[in-house]
Parts: sequence; structure tokens; C-alpha cells
Amino acid sequence: DTEVTQTPKHLVMGMTNKKSLKCEQHMGHRAMYWYKQKAKKPPELMFVYSYEKLSINESVPSRFSPECPNSSLLNLHLHALQPEDSALYLCASSQGEGRDTQYFGPGTRLTVL
Amino acid sequence: GQNIDQPTEMTATEGAIVQINCTYQTSGFNGLFWYQQHAGEAPTFLSYNVLDGLEEKGRFSSFLSRSKGYSYLLLKELQMKDSASYLCAVRDHGIKAAGNKLTFGGGTRVLVKP
Repeated sequence: DTEVTQTPKHLVMGMTNKKSLKCEQHMGHRAMYWYKQKAKKPPELMFVYSYEKLSINESVPSRFSPECPNSSLLNLHLHALQPEDSALYLCASSQGEGRDTQYFGPGTRLTVL
Repeated sequence: GQNIDQPTEMTATEGAIVQINCTYQTSGFNGLFWYQQHAGEAPTFLSYNVLDGLEEKGRFSSFLSRSKGYSYLLLKELQMKDSASYLCAVRDHGIKAAGNKLTFGGGTRVLVKP
């Protein structure tokens, strides 16, 4: 089983709203990732959590705030976003060792009005 | 710095073979992944190479030459459902605790025609 789930599938929000994206995996993976993907572009890494601790922040603006409540869950809190933040937000997880293949969730399509 | 190049688009006929090339210049190398991504969907893992040579997996094969900074993905017996973007991704290093950092190429859109 290599399933990563994400909710919601679609999200429309205004620039003053606060919302959260959720990601879950039950594969016992120790690393979890947030990516942002614009149309016809490759995924861009935003954050990496290793053993529930933030390992990498790719200079992401503070209006994006990640959280890892436990080893299976990863959240991305959104506040005061801009229209250019509209994109597909992908969550991924990996075992954390060995080949360490990243498995992606279906993504949340975010539109900021 | 990281530089990963792939052709932007390729077209092939159903039943044919297509080869997608990927060249990379990265500060480190610890494996190369190929992913398939259908429009509006998540990338799905296809193959992994860390040593030189060919890895075969059904209709898909992937080749790596580390000395040349070069990989290709070979798709045989093309089917209409193979129309998708194919992403080459290089892992430059692992993370101390767990996980790794991938850098993706721009992706190659493959269109399979009847």
C-alpha cells in the first residue's frame, strides 16, 4: 500500500481567509513533504519533515505554516495568501532510508481570489 | 546549483517506442527517479536508478550513466493511456534524520496518437 491521502481536493479562499490543507499516510514513513506545483511546471519543494521535525524550509513565505502533529499527519496552514499562490499543493511521504522513494498524494487544487 | 534538462514535448504513435532523455548537472548525486504525471493528478513513481545501467520494469525501462550525467526513460508498446508528463528527478543528498531532497526537471509531455 503506497497511499497518501489529502483533503480537501479543491479549495477556494479569499486573501483574508485562514484555511488548512491536510495530508495523511499510514505506511509508517518517517519523512513527509509539501510541494507546490503550478500548471505545466514541475513540483517545487516547500517543506520537509523528518521524524516529525521540520528539516527543510525552502525559504517559503510565512503565510504558509506547516505542522506535523504526529508521524502520520501533515498540515499546511494558510493565511493571507495572494492570488499567485493558486496552485496544486502536493503532499508526499517516504520511508526515510534506503531507496527512500517519495509517494505523492492526489493534491489539493487551491484557488486564491 | 542544480540543472536538469528534458525535452518539453514528444509525440509518438500507439504501439511505438519513445525515449525520453534527461541530462543533469547537480552538486551531488544519490539516485535518479522517473515519475509519470497525468494532467491534474499526482506524480506516480515509475523507476529508480542509482548505479549505471538499465533497469527494466514491464513496458518501461530506465537507463543511467553517472559519468555522462545522463538518463533516459524508454516506453515500449505505447498505449493511449501513456499520454502524460514524465518527470526526471535527481536526489542530491539525504537528510540527516530521514528523507531526501529531490530536484525535478521541467517534465516531458508525451502525446500518444492513434
